[in-house]
Amino acid sequence: SAVISQKPSRDICQRGTSLTIQCQVDSQVTMMFWYRQQPGQSLTLIATANQGSEATYESGFVIDKFPISRPNLTFSTLTVSNMSPEDSSIYLCSAVKLADIYNEQFFGPGTRLTVL
Amino acid sequence: AQKITQTQPGMFVQEKEAVTLDCTYDTSDPSYGLFWYKQPSSGEMIFLIYQGSYDQQNATEGRYSLNFQKARKSANLVISASQLGDSAMYFCAMRGGKLIFGAGTRLAVHP
Repeated sequence: SAVISQKPSRDICQRGTSLTIQCQVDSQVTMMFWYRQQPGQSLTLIATANQGSEATYESGFVIDKFPISRPNLTFSTLTVSNMSPEDSSIYLCSAVKLADIYNEQFFGPGTRLTVL
Repeated sequence: AQKITQTQPGMFVQEKEAVTLDCTYDTSDPSYGLFWYKQPSSGEMIFLIYQGSYDQQNATEGRYSLNFQKARKSANLVISASQLGDSAMYFCAMRGGKLIFGAGTRLAVHP
């Protein structure tokens, strides 16, 4: 298994500012992902964080708005840039040990972001 | 393209009764995995059960079982002997390359 921690757990931010969310896994993982969960909604994949290279973004998400880093096999950051109230969501970090369909995907506790 | 559909926004069940949460999917990949997660009000994502596309038998994990009907592309979750602590959001998810989620079903267990 893998235990994922995120910092901060929650934050209240002003519009126009940026917030960086940290994700730490307690063991090496093959793949890391960032999801967004808007209020009352399901989880939407933002991007796959690739070690040592640019993240792979899903349709509707761009690097300028959500820059992602993954410097090693256990750590990743997501920045929410130039925030607006529409960015108020829970942001979840996720990881898999092995890159095949049969492996459980683990989730962090989430970062609850409120933008005023 | 992959798609997961959960058509029940909310479900009610009496404590100790069984309940079935529906999930249908669509994919052109021959290999895929189907997952169910529980999300209580605390927000954490709790893995419940997994079914592989080539698995011949339905998956079971304690009180959870997955009714997998490949030809119908359905992967319904059955919770037996419901408990008050089962009240939560339940998400069906599928992985071909990436894990994508359905809209979720909110389950309320009544005493």
